[in-house]
Amino acid sequence: KAGVTQTPRYLIKTRGQQVTLSCSPISGHRSVSWYQQTPGQGLQFLFEYFSETQRNKGNFPGRFSGRQFSNSRSEMNVSTLELGDSALYLCASSFQSSGANVLTFGAGSRLTVL
Amino acid sequence: DAKTTQPNSMESNEEEPVHLPCNHSTISGTDYIHWYRQLPSQGPEYVIHGLTSNVNNRMASLAIAEDRKSSTLILHRATLRDAAVYYCILRRVNDYKLSFGAGTTVTVRA
Repeated sequence: KAGVTQTPRYLIKTRGQQVTLSCSPISGHRSVSWYQQTPGQGLQFLFEYFSETQRNKGNFPGRFSGRQFSNSRSEMNVSTLELGDSALYLCASSFQSSGANVLTFGAGSRLTVL
Repeated sequence: DAKTTQPNSMESNEEEPVHLPCNHSTISGTDYIHWYRQLPSQGPEYVIHGLTSNVNNRMASLAIAEDRKSSTLILHRATLRDAAVYYCILRRVNDYKLSFGAGTTVTVRA
């Protein structure tokens, strides 16, 4: 059974550019959530999607956005990149959004903004 | 949002048990308690979760206080592969937002 796949694994961008990260969930999982991990702030929730609908959003500026496709694959986009956006971006999938459901995380996409 | 509080770090000797505490005094009745761990350069991985009763699986045990305001993850026999950052999080049934604390860094001495 394939795990959660995130692409690209590593990328370097410059300030002002935008970036799109992709997440392919485990087959059959309909919920995908995104997290930002930095040494200073730890793991912070970005947003969660279920059946193509954004269910909740964390406290991030509007430059951070996402979407989910009908096959449950998800993308997140960060526009007008800032140095502080350098981080490991993680996505996780679960069968449903229920609290009882286990999250399976991908290995992450490491973004460096120069 | 319900928050969790964990010690910053804990050390253990190999083959000995490790007890990782987590306080979640503002937990609501519908919050599930989840534990995940993150090894260096990897995404977090699931360890165990529960609602009210104690839980056991092949990796660990979860002991939940009667008032649910705290819980303890128990690694019965620590190995070097258990060295990781352990996160205690609350997964809310009707909110979908996850709140991660700073986690506990576990060091296992050979």
